[in-house]
Formats: sequence, structure tokens, C-alpha cells
Amino acid sequence: GDSVTQMEGPVTLSEEAFLTINCTYTATGYPSLFWYVQYPGEGLQLLLKATKADDKGSNKGFEATYRKETTSFHLEKGSVQVSDSAVYFCALSFSGGYQKVTFGTGTKLQVIP
Amino acid sequence: DAGVIQSPRHEVTEMGQEVTLRCKPISGHDYLFWYRQTMMRGLELLIYFNNNVPIDDSGMPEDRFSAKMPNASFSTLKIQPSEPRDSAVYFCASSLGPAPEAFFGQGTRLTVV
Repeated sequence: GDSVTQMEGPVTLSEEAFLTINCTYTATGYPSLFWYVQYPGEGLQLLLKATKADDKGSNKGFEATYRKETTSFHLEKGSVQVSDSAVYFCALSFSGGYQKVTFGTGTKLQVIP
Repeated sequence: DAGVIQSPRHEVTEMGQEVTLRCKPISGHDYLFWYRQTMMRGLELLIYFNNNVPIDDSGMPEDRFSAKMPNASFSTLKIQPSEPRDSAVYFCASSLGPAPEAFFGQGTRLTVV
């Protein structure tokens, strides 16, 4: 079946450090890929998405590129802030009617001043 | 719009008791989802509705769980009888159309003692 694998957390960074959270997927076909963010005490929010190979999704300084050859969708940010502290989920889904979203296990990011 | 509204935010109950979780989706959204989040299993889709009709309840763990959507603005998830292993955060989410970009509520943290 389809699956998403994320790097284990927690990830602890100092403010203004560079962030990378790795995500790889296994799927039959070519899914759309997503990053969701969950702030403490909140539900998940869509952060960015990419629907086809080589697409780059970006939002709030975060970006991720859909790499078909490596089946990856790594999340990056050039300079993290304390307010970026949250849990980040990589996910995939297919188009064509409703298709279940397969989520990764989440990676907790803690940014310290 | 106020977003997806869930109640209560926290629920503590004794084993064997009935628990009812409530959700008000975003007005106009025609898809509604119930998810469960635990440390062990991550985020799991329990059931989803389209136009108030349950479409897929294959994620509902046991017959103790039931969900209803009597109208477009309200849904409930009921657990009867509750067990300690049901302790988790339960999220409701809604979307317009069969898109994977659902909007999540803040969740209900359920503790069964």
C-alpha cells in the first residue's frame, strides 16, 4: 500500500538555522504531495503542496520539491523562527474523486532562541 | 468563517461510559472527516461523509464507535462503551469537494481512565 516515511524527531534548531525535514514516499502511480503543520494545541493546517514531478510548493518561507526519481518531498526553510516550532506532517493523495490522504508520522521541530 | 468547530476540547471519562464528540464543519463544505491521532499509530482516518452520507467507515476500529451526520452543519462521533485504549486526540475536518486539502478543527483530547 501507499506509505510516507519521515525522519525521526524531535529536531532542535537555533533561531535562523537552516531546516530540512526529510520525507520519502511509496506509491503506485504519481500522487500529489503535501506538507501539513500542527502548532501546539491546534489541528493540522496545509502548509504547501505539489501535484506533479519537479513542482515546487512554497509558503511562509518553506519550500519542497517533488522529486519523482528519488520519491522524495523534503521540506526546507532557510532561516527558522521560534514561531515555526510545531509538528510537520508529510502526506500524499491521489486525484480523481476523493482519495484517502496517507500521512507520515510527523516530525516535531523545536526552535530555540 | 470560524473554521471547523469541535467540542468539547477536553474530555475525561471513566471506562465503560459513553462519550460523544461533536463537530461543526465549515459552512458550504460537503466532505467531513473524523481522524484519530495517537503517538503509537499517528493520524488515522476513521470515517468520512459526503453530503451527510457516510462513504467509508473502514477505519472505525470497532462496533463501539459510531458516527452520524444528521445535517450539513453537524456531526457526532460516539464511543460506547469507552475503553482506556480509546484515549487519543480526535480531529474533525471538512473540505469543499473531494480535495485532500481539508481544514481541521482543534481536536478533542479524550482521556478514558
